[in-house]
Amino acid sequence: DAKTTQPPSMDCAEGRAANLPCNHSTISGNEYVYWYRQIHSQGPQYIIHGLKNNETNEMASLIITEDRKSSTLILPHATLRDTAVYYCIVRVGYGSARQLTFGSGTQLTVLP
Amino acid sequence: DTEVTQTPKHLVMGMTNKKSLKCEQHMGHRAMYWYKQKAKKPPELMFVYSYEKLSINESVPSRFSPECPNSSLLNLHLHALQPEDSALYLCASSQDAGIAFFGQGTRLTVV
Repeated sequence: DAKTTQPPSMDCAEGRAANLPCNHSTISGNEYVYWYRQIHSQGPQYIIHGLKNNETNEMASLIITEDRKSSTLILPHATLRDTAVYYCIVRVGYGSARQLTFGSGTQLTVLP
Repeated sequence: DTEVTQTPKHLVMGMTNKKSLKCEQHMGHRAMYWYKQKAKKPPELMFVYSYEKLSINESVPSRFSPECPNSSLLNLHLHALQPEDSALYLCASSQDAGIAFFGQGTRLTVV
């Protein structure tokens, strides 16, 4: 699975949009981009995933560049409860069970 | 039901003890995972089960022994652990290699 690069930490003001970048320049054509987050001492939580089109759900939006070498997770109106470590993971989406490998992630702190 | 349930939530064990961690899901997922997470580090994959068979073992020491008795249950048997094995142990499940659902983990302390 392709390797990802994320900034170690980011701050965001409460109520503003949080934009979390991820670089995955070695992504293959059949690999999806997944985002998870982990609030302190809890299990990771799935947020969103995509292949090449932009995606939106009730939690967030995912913007993938046309060359698919990078993506941005957008939390449109960040709240204090969004403070967490956010992980960007690239992997094949379907097929036999494969590793889900976590990188270092980005610690997002939402400030009041 | 989109829950993965892990028991116990906390466990303290001595280095000579034998204990087991339990994980249960009723989503019909056929892939199940064990992860270990140390403080301020990302989760590290330990084992992957696919259709109740061990498909990936990330060179985990034999003092950790996984077991998948049926499609809903995943156990992690612990024996002769060391203090450095103290960590949060996370279980996850997914439908093949799709979206993974994680439990809240078992906080293990080895004394």
